[in-house]
Amino acid sequence: GENVEQHPSTLSVQEGDSAVIKCTYSDSASNYFPWYKQELGKRPQLIIDIRSNVGEKKDQRIAVTLNKTAKHFSLHITETQPEDSAVYFCAARGGSQGNLIFGKGTKLSVKP
Amino acid sequence: NAGVTQTPKFQVLKTGQSMTLQCAQDMNHNSMYWYRQDPGMGLRLIYYSASEGTTDKGEVPNGYNVSRLNKREFSLRLESAAPSQTSVYFCASSVWESYEQYFGPGTRLTVT
Repeated sequence: GENVEQHPSTLSVQEGDSAVIKCTYSDSASNYFPWYKQELGKRPQLIIDIRSNVGEKKDQRIAVTLNKTAKHFSLHITETQPEDSAVYFCAARGGSQGNLIFGKGTKLSVKP
Repeated sequence: NAGVTQTPKFQVLKTGQSMTLQCAQDMNHNSMYWYRQDPGMGLRLIYYSASEGTTDKGEVPNGYNVSRLNKREFSLRLESAAPSQTSVYFCASSVWESYEQYFGPGTRLTVT
């Protein structure tokens, strides 16, 4: 089955800097890769997703890139703000099983 | 629209007790999911229901049962609670399996 590794587990940046979180997956048939943001005590919320027929997707300060050959995808946040502080989860939908498999999360801290 | 709702928000059980966690969605979604979230472990799928009338095991189904009562409601039952089931439980739903999942607010369960 699918396995998703996420790095780093914690990330601290200064306000205005960029943040990059990386994930690798094992199932070459995986075709859907969402990213979720979870603030303390809240539910996970989708911030961006990408499908396997696309290499990059942007939404304002957030972008996701996908390298199918290397089986990894990354979340890029530019011009970080304190409200970006949260735990971010990547996930991959296995091609054969159809369920989302989540990474263990990255705790991002943006210092003012 | 309320989205995905869960009851209760908090619950404390003694070892061996049983309980049912309730989940409902009003978005006319076909697929519903139950996850557990433990510190440092990300979100792990317990059971899912791809469509009304079907249920399937996820990564960590042992000790749990589910019922897809109708298109709106998907319940999770713990027959004999164990301390290892102390966790935060999230219900989610999506239009179909390969689409964005919307999460409920979560149930924080403690088993003593």
